[in-house]
Amino acid sequence: KAGVTQTPRYLIKTRGQQVTLSCSPISGHRSVSWYQQTPGQGLQFLFEYFSETQRNKGNFPGRFSGRQFSNSRSEMNVSTLELGDSALYLCASSPYPPAYEQYFGPGTRLTVT
Amino acid sequence: AQSVTQLGSHVSVSEGALVLLRCNYSSSVPPYLFWYVQYPNQGLQLLLKYTTGATLVKGINGFEAEFKKSETSFHLTKPSAHMSDAAEYFCAVSDPKSNKLIFGAGTRLAVHP
Repeated sequence: KAGVTQTPRYLIKTRGQQVTLSCSPISGHRSVSWYQQTPGQGLQFLFEYFSETQRNKGNFPGRFSGRQFSNSRSEMNVSTLELGDSALYLCASSPYPPAYEQYFGPGTRLTVT
Repeated sequence: AQSVTQLGSHVSVSEGALVLLRCNYSSSVPPYLFWYVQYPNQGLQLLLKYTTGATLVKGINGFEAEFKKSETSFHLTKPSAHMSDAAEYFCAVSDPKSNKLIFGAGTRLAVHP
């Protein structure tokens, strides 16, 4: 089975712009979670989607949003980018919640200038 | 609320020596516990997990961890370090009803000849 794929792998944006990141889960997996990884804050949970519904949300401002499509693919959007949004954004998929394990993609490295 | 503390942000061992990475957790419900490894410019790879049952769990690449409820610990060990073990290791806890992972700050393992 193919693993979790994320596109693009690298992205450079300017402050004030918006960005959309994409995640394709492992075939058959219906739950997708997103995490932000930064040197200062570490790994932080953004949100989780299952069957096109947001099940959980982390403590991030409303500029961060996401959605899941009927084929379980997910996108996250960040509007009005700030310098502090520079991070590695990781997507993880699992067959269903609650999951005994989650499988992570390689991440999208976002740099905001 | 759940939390994870990893003691030691950097650990250095000689090749062939014992690897011990420490993790303590806090959880108001019976936790699910995980260890993940991250190599440079990559996502997270699951090493092992504890959900229920046997408290000593074995994972990939010769790693194992023991769940000790009385000590709220889930330390990761490997009897003999290999150069390829050099990476960052993350301990995580999740609520059995959720896919939300709470990560520790990570421990960077260096292995020297």
